[in-house]
Amino acid sequence: DVKVTQSSRYLVKRTGEKVFLECVQDMDHENMFWYRQDPGLGLRLIYFSYDVKMKEKGDIPEGYSVSREKKERFSLILESASTNQTSMYLCASRSVEWRERFFGPGTRLTVL
Amino acid sequence: SQQGEEDPQALSIQEGENATMNCSYKTSINNLQWYRQNSGRGLVHLILIRSNEREKHSGRLRVTLDTSKKSSSLLITASRAADTASYFCATDASGGSYIPTFGRGTSLIVHP
Repeated sequence: DVKVTQSSRYLVKRTGEKVFLECVQDMDHENMFWYRQDPGLGLRLIYFSYDVKMKEKGDIPEGYSVSREKKERFSLILESASTNQTSMYLCASRSVEWRERFFGPGTRLTVL
Repeated sequence: SQQGEEDPQALSIQEGENATMNCSYKTSINNLQWYRQNSGRGLVHLILIRSNEREKHSGRLRVTLDTSKKSSSLLITASRAADTASYFCATDASGGSYIPTFGRGTSLIVHP
């Protein structure tokens, strides 16, 4: 079974803090994604990565950065957390050949 | 940009009834995928239908695709309380764009 894990299920941070969200997949997938999910807005793509050291901006990259130094790990970084970044963050991965995405359980981030 | 848009936004039915939800999209696609999300959890892939397919079945799920209308439907037959979840469609656009985009989802409640 494909497994996508995220470092935390729940996270509480203060405004201005630097926040790291980690995502690890164990199926050697090339593509990895970070989404945020907000009520009424669905899933919105923040960043994605085709492969190691490759990254592309999604629909809402402002205030975020990412890092993919190893194939299995894709990190989302909030350089200076703000209250409007309070959200559910979902990581996903997929192989290039098989198009279905496998999602992690999500991290619910609250920024106070 | 969110390409897939689900309809209705919310659906409430009794156990044993069929549930139908629709997805519309804007551009040409390689495939369309349906996902389920239980409350507060990550998304789970249900079924993928390719652009050259018109109908696909998986257990109690039936998906149709009409590329001329740029729409898809997901039918859940003989629904169960455990089917209560949000359902999302996602598209992989054709023409070299591999960014997967999601709709806002349909919230399905199945009453026992």
